[in-house]
Amino acid sequence: KAGVTQTPRYLIKTRGQQVTLSCSPISGHRSVSWYQQTPGQGLQFLFEYFSETQRNKGNFPGRFSGRQFSNSRSEMNVSTLELGDSALYLCASSLVGDRRYEQYFGPGTRLTVT
Amino acid sequence: GENVEQHPSTLSVQEGDSAVIKCTYSDSASNYFPWYKQELGKGPQLIIDIRSNVGEKKDQRIAVTLNKTAKHFSLHITETQPEDSAVYFCAAAGDKIIFGKGTRLHILP
Repeated sequence: KAGVTQTPRYLIKTRGQQVTLSCSPISGHRSVSWYQQTPGQGLQFLFEYFSETQRNKGNFPGRFSGRQFSNSRSEMNVSTLELGDSALYLCASSLVGDRRYEQYFGPGTRLTVT
Repeated sequence: GENVEQHPSTLSVQEGDSAVIKCTYSDSASNYFPWYKQELGKGPQLIIDIRSNVGEKKDQRIAVTLNKTAKHFSLHITETQPEDSAVYFCAAAGDKIIFGKGTRLHILP
């Protein structure tokens, strides 16, 4: 079974630009979560999607948004990029119910903002 | 707010020795406790987990223990090998999942 895939793997953007990251979950997984990983803050939860609906949201500004499609694939968007948005963005997929937090991560997208 | 504290932040052990990583959580609603291993350039990989109705779980050289009363849980790796070198994260999940800040484990030859 194929794992979680994320595209692109690396991205360099300039301050003020916007970016869209993509995530394809494991086949059969309907829940997708996004995390920001930085050396200082560790893994910070961004949001969780299930059945095309945002089910949970972390403490990030409104510049961070996401969506999920009917095939469970998900995208996240960051608008008006800031230097502090440089990070590894991880997507994780899972089943639902009591296996909701048994998450399987993709390799991440490394975003560098200059 | 809810928090998961993980110690130590860095751990060096001789190959063949045991390694122990400890986590403490604050949310009483937490009922699922996964552990992840992250190697350089990769996403975190789920290596073992435990639910609140279980006190201990083993999988070959890896074991996890849970003390719900004290709100702490630990990862034990026995007979460490070079490939165990990585960053390990604990997490506590109930209504939401919160991760510890990670432990960088170095296995010394």
